[in-house]
Amino acid sequence: GESVGLHLPTLSVQEGDNSIINCAYSNSASDYFIWYKQESGKGPQFIIDIRSNMDKRQGQRVTVLLNKTVKHLSLQIAATQPGDSAVYFCAEAGGSYIPTFGRGTSLIVHP
Amino acid sequence: SQTIHQWPATLVQPVGSPLSLECTVEGTSNPNLYWYRQAAGRGLQLLFYSVGIGQISSEVPQNLSASRPQDRQFILSSKKLLLSDSGFYLCAWSQQGESLHFGNGTRLTVT
Repeated sequence: GESVGLHLPTLSVQEGDNSIINCAYSNSASDYFIWYKQESGKGPQFIIDIRSNMDKRQGQRVTVLLNKTVKHLSLQIAATQPGDSAVYFCAEAGGSYIPTFGRGTSLIVHP
Repeated sequence: SQTIHQWPATLVQPVGSPLSLECTVEGTSNPNLYWYRQAAGRGLQLLFYSVGIGQISSEVPQNLSASRPQDRQFILSSKKLLLSDSGFYLCAWSQQGESLHFGNGTRLTVT
């Protein structure tokens, strides 16, 4: 099947900096994309989603950008805090809305 | 509000023993239900999903089975555990076309 992947397995940033986590997807039929945050020993937690009829969506301190031309998804976290340290997964879904998850990026925030 | 409960949180079982992990959802009706497995440092692998009572779809051939005896109850089972069944098992629910909501997982160690 087609896959979802992440460009960087680990991202280290300083507290207060902005973070950008990237994700490439290969299924052109996918029309729903989700970012999850997973803290150690816990289940993934929904952060933000975007549908293919949009190219940008903003939440509280987070922004998701979707570039359908190059099949690229990114998560931007503003003013990164130590509590943002976690593994971040992107997921894509098509008509069945059963998401396929990427490998994950570990975000490490240094105080 | 909706909640999802998974238990137990951790489990150590000998090879060849049976397994039963339970997941229940509250506050929603006719949810889609999912079982995922996550190996250490890896992404989420979909094992089973269900769109209704008694309806189970298996994504990968394996030593595990799933059942949905009630609308908001999803059970993951095995008759005889293998060492390779060790991992972090996550239950999730969603409404059609919406994001998944995960439980806090069960850490299974097969010895």
